Amino acid sequence: AQTVTQSQPEMSVQEAETVTLSCTYDTSESDYYLFWYKQPPSRQMILVIRQEAYKQQNATENRFSVNFQKAAKSFSLKISDSQLGDAAMYFCAYRFKAAGNKLTFGGGTRVLVKP
Amino acid sequence: DAGVIQSPRHEVTEMGQEVTLRCKPISGHNSLFWYRQTMMRGLELLIYFNNNVPIDDSGMPEDRFSAKMPNASFSTLKIQPSEPRDSAVYFCASGIAGAAETQYFGPGTRLLVL
Repeated sequence: AQTVTQSQPEMSVQEAETVTLSCTYDTSESDYYLFWYKQPPSRQMILVIRQEAYKQQNATENRFSVNFQKAAKSFSLKISDSQLGDAAMYFCAYRFKAAGNKLTFGGGTRVLVKP
Repeated sequence: DAGVIQSPRHEVTEMGQEVTLRCKPISGHNSLFWYRQTMMRGLELLIYFNNNVPIDDSGMPEDRFSAKMPNASFSTLKIQPSEPRDSAVYFCASGIAGAAETQYFGPGTRLLVL
């Protein structure tokens, strides 16, 4: 069974600085997707970024970028120029392409942004 | 686009009562997912549908839980009878089935069973 691990329960960052969130996963498959979701206090789950395992190039969305290390099964999220609105829980998620549409989530990392 | 719509947003009920949660997926999406989020267990997939057909319900806790999708624009998750341990935030998500699917989540229903 696939598992997703986020080893940092909480991270703190100064406004305008950079923070990196860790995520590792365990799978024997080679073709899959990885996601980062943001959950602000409103509880809404918002897609931040998506990475396809067969693409070597790391995905980027504005201030958000990932470092995808397939061999190491690592998928970290970097938030650059942190803003107060970035404060939220961040969840890493995995989906194996050929096994339906199930997402497996990590336990989450809370990001605190200090003004 | 209105996004995924869930109702009610908050529900407080007493143990033993029936609870029905509702979801309207994004128009054009043909996959629908029900998740439960608790402090203890995090985010868990309960069940998902493709083209209104349940594909995987292995996450449904027990017979007290049932989900239906009578048409492409509506789904329900029912708990009968409810128990205090069912207290959680329940999310509905939708997407377009396929290799590049991304799931879009609704705002969630916060359920408290007393």
